[in-house]
Amino acid sequence: AQSVTQLGSHVSVSEGALVLLRCNYSSSVPPYLFWYVQYPNQGLQLLLKYTSAATLVKGINGFEAEFKKSETSFHLTKPSAHMSDAAEYFCAVRGDNNNDMRFGAGTRLTVKP
Amino acid sequence: NAGVTQTPKFQVLKTGQSMTLQCAQDMNHNSMYWYRQDPGMGLRLIYYSASEGTTDKGEVPNGYNVSRLNKREFSLRLESAAPSQTSVYFCASGPRAGNTEAFFGQGTRLTVV
Repeated sequence: AQSVTQLGSHVSVSEGALVLLRCNYSSSVPPYLFWYVQYPNQGLQLLLKYTSAATLVKGINGFEAEFKKSETSFHLTKPSAHMSDAAEYFCAVRGDNNNDMRFGAGTRLTVKP
Repeated sequence: NAGVTQTPKFQVLKTGQSMTLQCAQDMNHNSMYWYRQDPGMGLRLIYYSASEGTTDKGEVPNGYNVSRLNKREFSLRLESAAPSQTSVYFCASGPRAGNTEAFFGQGTRLTVV
């Protein structure tokens, strides 16, 4: 079954610094990959998704992610962190023939002033 | 746009009590999901329903039952609540599998004492 692993349960950056949140996937078929964001006491909101149309995917709020098959990775980046980016971020995977969606353990992003 | 609506938002149960978490979506989605979120473990899939009339076990189904009442509604039942079921529960829905994302409700915070 497909799965994702997020490296680093907590990431702390300064405001204006690069954000890099790591996600590696395991899938026996070409995967569909997703990044979600969760603000405190809220549900999950989609940031972006990879659907094989392009390896570099742009999402909301200035985030983007690059699909690298050779590294089985789908890392999330943002060039310049903003205080409002502080949240928990989840990577998720779904295989084409499998209806369920599996999530990583999450990475909590802290942005320091 | 209501999207995915979960009730109740908060609940405290005594060990051994039963309850049903309700979920309804108004986006005409075929698939619906129930997840639980625990610190450090991300979202784990309890059950999902690929279409009306079908349900399948996810990663952590023990202690739960589900009913896909119709296309809109997907309920989660705890027959005999245990402290280990203290968690935040999320319902989600989505179009058919593949490159489509899931849309989440706001969650139900359940405490079993």
